[in-house]
Amino acid sequence: AQKITQTQPGMFVQEKEAVTLDCTYDTSDPSYGLFWYKQPSSGEMIFLIYQGSYDQQNATEGRYSLNFQKARKSANLVISASQLGDSAMYFCAMREADQTGANNLFFGTGTRLTVIP
Amino acid sequence: DVKVTQSSRYLVKRTGEKVFLECVQDMDHENMFWYRQDPGLGLRLIYFSYDVKMKEKGDIPEGYSVSREKKERFSLILESASTNQTSMYLCASSLWSGGRFYEQYFGPGTRLTVT
Repeated sequence: AQKITQTQPGMFVQEKEAVTLDCTYDTSDPSYGLFWYKQPSSGEMIFLIYQGSYDQQNATEGRYSLNFQKARKSANLVISASQLGDSAMYFCAMREADQTGANNLFFGTGTRLTVIP
Repeated sequence: DVKVTQSSRYLVKRTGEKVFLECVQDMDHENMFWYRQDPGLGLRLIYFSYDVKMKEKGDIPEGYSVSREKKERFSLILESASTNQTSMYLCASSLWSGGRFYEQYFGPGTRLTVT
């Protein structure tokens, strides 16, 4: 089974509008972390935001917020006031605890966001 | 700033060649990772290392090996390159967990083409 599912291959949003990128996850581990990364056309993966499974509050980082619904196993990324520079691929990822302490990241297939002027 | 560097941005190799992809991080991170990225498949873990000389297989280790002789350097080796190994290769590093989930920091990627 896929550990991370991103069902939107592509999304369009008007500049200055808000957009939600969907992410659902699958784990039986009570302790895990959820991450969102942005990958512009240059190729580098940029860390955006993190949510721990035990965190009570939804994470926020500037214009990024994470809508964490634990019972539904969803961790949607909300980008407010979209800018042209937000056009990129966005990946949702999850880390589970493992014996090595490396805690591998499992990635979704990504959503390509295009911001329209 | 955390910096992860990869030896090449673009690489073209012939089938059967031995290929070395180098990754260096400057933040004293214990963990290092190699991923390959293909359209529609996201990032898939090839190998990771949680300490010098320690390595673990990821989801798709076949056809690859790794080496970590120094903490800051993690090398990915394609013993005999094949065309199905044409891909974008991303290196990442992170702190050892200690019970926490730290983000991974990524290098710029190496786009490898095997002809």
